[in-house]
Amino acid sequence: EDKVVQSPLSLVVHEGDTVTLNCSYEVTNFRSLLWYKQEKKAPTFLFMLTSSGIEKKSGRLSSILDKKELFSILNITATQTGDSAVYLCAVGIQGAQKLVFGQGTRLTINP
Amino acid sequence: DGGITQSPKYLFRKEGQNVTLSCEQNLNHDAMYWYRQDPGQGLRLIYYSQIVNDFQKGDIAEGYSVSREKKESFPLTVTSAQKNPTAFYLCASGGQFNYGYTFGSGTRLTVV
Repeated sequence: EDKVVQSPLSLVVHEGDTVTLNCSYEVTNFRSLLWYKQEKKAPTFLFMLTSSGIEKKSGRLSSILDKKELFSILNITATQTGDSAVYLCAVGIQGAQKLVFGQGTRLTINP
Repeated sequence: DGGITQSPKYLFRKEGQNVTLSCEQNLNHDAMYWYRQDPGQGLRLIYYSQIVNDFQKGDIAEGYSVSREKKESFPLTVTSAQKNPTAFYLCASGGQFNYGYTFGSGTRLTVV
């Protein structure tokens, strides 16, 4: 059974801190790994990773994939209260045309 | 503007009733998906459709039904057989290579 596990499930930090969110996976036929941010309702796309070792960056957010160890991390530096959200990791399955999601990490940034 | 629209935003259902959640997209995407989100459990796949007039069960299809008569529309019916329907329901659509989804804003269903 395809499985995606995120950790921690919940994280509370102070504004300005750096956080690292983890995503590990066990799937039959890996295609891609995606990160989404969910603030209130619709998740919004952050990154898609398909190759190991290549860091994707967008402002204070960055992510990297390790296909040998089957995990990805999402880093957020100099956190702001607007970064408070649920961060979802999902893995695309080759051939099945669907995404398998992890449980999400609820990140709370306190001022 | 292209996008995906879910309605209603909030829905209340009495026990024993069937209800239908609407999902419409104008992104010309072939694939559409229904997910259920419960607190602390992430997104779980209910049904998905890769093409008109065809759909597949996801991981938690029991108590739900769908149809895909048009490319733009993928309604979800929550039947009385679904024992715990209170949840947040998200519809999504994906392009040909399905590298990522576009999500709707969701429907929060509550059984009263």
